[in-house]
Amino acid sequence: SQTIHQWPATLVQPVGSPLSLECTVEGTSNPNLYWYRQAAGRGLQLLFYSVGIGQISSEVPQNLSASRPQDRQFILSSKKLLLSDSGFYLCAWNAPITGIMYEQYFGPGTRLTVT
Amino acid sequence: QKEVEQNSGPLSVPEGAIASLNCTYSDRGSQSFFWYRQYSGKSPELIMSIYSNGDKEDGRFTAQLNKASQYVSLLIRDSQPSDSATYLCAPPVGALTGGGNKLTFGTGTQLKVEL
Repeated sequence: SQTIHQWPATLVQPVGSPLSLECTVEGTSNPNLYWYRQAAGRGLQLLFYSVGIGQISSEVPQNLSASRPQDRQFILSSKKLLLSDSGFYLCAWNAPITGIMYEQYFGPGTRLTVT
Repeated sequence: QKEVEQNSGPLSVPEGAIASLNCTYSDRGSQSFFWYRQYSGKSPELIMSIYSNGDKEDGRFTAQLNKASQYVSLLIRDSQPSDSATYLCAPPVGALTGGGNKLTFGTGTQLKVEL
């Protein structure tokens, strides 16, 4: 079965510090991978998605970047965190149900607090 | 117009009652819909997928899709306190190269099942 991991689970970082969040998926190959952010009391915002190694699409211009160095690894980074980067960061992957239908599953998330 | 609209609630129902959660969407091209449940502090969990007009039942959950009205609902029968959570509606908003899709999420409806 497929499993998605995220770490760390929680993180407290000062403003201006760098960030690296990691997501890995087990039990599947060539998945579509996604990074979402959920700010306190708000909805899920798609930040980045990737359809393959080295292929990154950005949905919202901001202080963050993403990379996919391996097939089942997705990394979210920042060089200098802002207070507004605080939130619940979720990694997700697409599982094919049929040839054209997919379902999306989320990892456990990383709760980031920028102080 | 927002892409996905949900009543934020909270929707309070007594234990054993039917909870009805509604969602409207703006993209007429959406072909599938997903309902996620999110407990406080946790990541969203996929609980229902529906791909065609009509009803789909899974245990105590029934999803209803009306593409002509751009409306999808989720009914929870025999509501239990453990159903208390935020329910997110998510239609796809675009297909990705090689398969898979991007989802857009409503802000969710908070459901409270009271003893």
